[in-house]
Amino acid sequence: EVQLVQSGAEVKKPGESLKISCKGSGYSFTSYWIGWVRQMPGKGLEWMGIIYPGDSDTRYSPSFQGQVTISADKSISTAYLQWSSLKASDTAMYYCARGIGQLVYFDYWGQGTLVTVSS
Amino acid sequence: SYELTQPPSVSVSPGQTARITCSGDALPKKYAYWYQQKSGQAPVLVIYEDSKRPSGIPERFSGSSSGTMATLTISGAQVEDEADYYCYSTDSSGNHGVFGGGTKLTVL
Repeated sequence: EVQLVQSGAEVKKPGESLKISCKGSGYSFTSYWIGWVRQMPGKGLEWMGIIYPGDSDTRYSPSFQGQVTISADKSISTAYLQWSSLKASDTAMYYCARGIGQLVYFDYWGQGTLVTVSS
Repeated sequence: SYELTQPPSVSVSPGQTARITCSGDALPKKYAYWYQQKSGQAPVLVIYEDSKRPSGIPERFSGSSSGTMATLTISGAQVEDEADYYCYSTDSSGNHGVFGGGTKLTVL
């Protein structure tokens, strides 16, 4: 059974750093993309970027390029999303999802990680 | 940046057919995908590659695409189909995914 299990909710202050994780199981982690999707409170889904753990090929949305870093550790089948300096506007639910196909769409999703940034 | 445009809301009575549209300039050359997101839950893929249905998705869900518009059709919508629906595709380069703004489907 394909599963993506994300790390737990986080409460941080503006300016702090953060790294959240997404552990894949039930499939070959290095043969599929992992993507990150943001959902701000009451808003829609936003594609942030994707990584191919097999060769670390990474693509970012222009809206998120330079704002976050996507990485993966294939030895432990885990992908990461990190911030070096959080802002209040980073408050959102973040989903990881398995990417498949030439167009890289998402077929399985994690349960989401809620990040709250508040002073 | 590339955009996919959806109507903010669609409302139907139970048993009626709901149609949700998604327009984008690259859709003639790129597949459309559809996700259902119920309140407080992660999205679920309901249609891929314009018209294919993943296993476990009811037959009442179907998709089509023509020109710059893709359509998700729910034939005989049920109360449990109430959710937000998002179309998804990529820009013309194929390197960046894009979600539509989402459509809230009300079935009552």
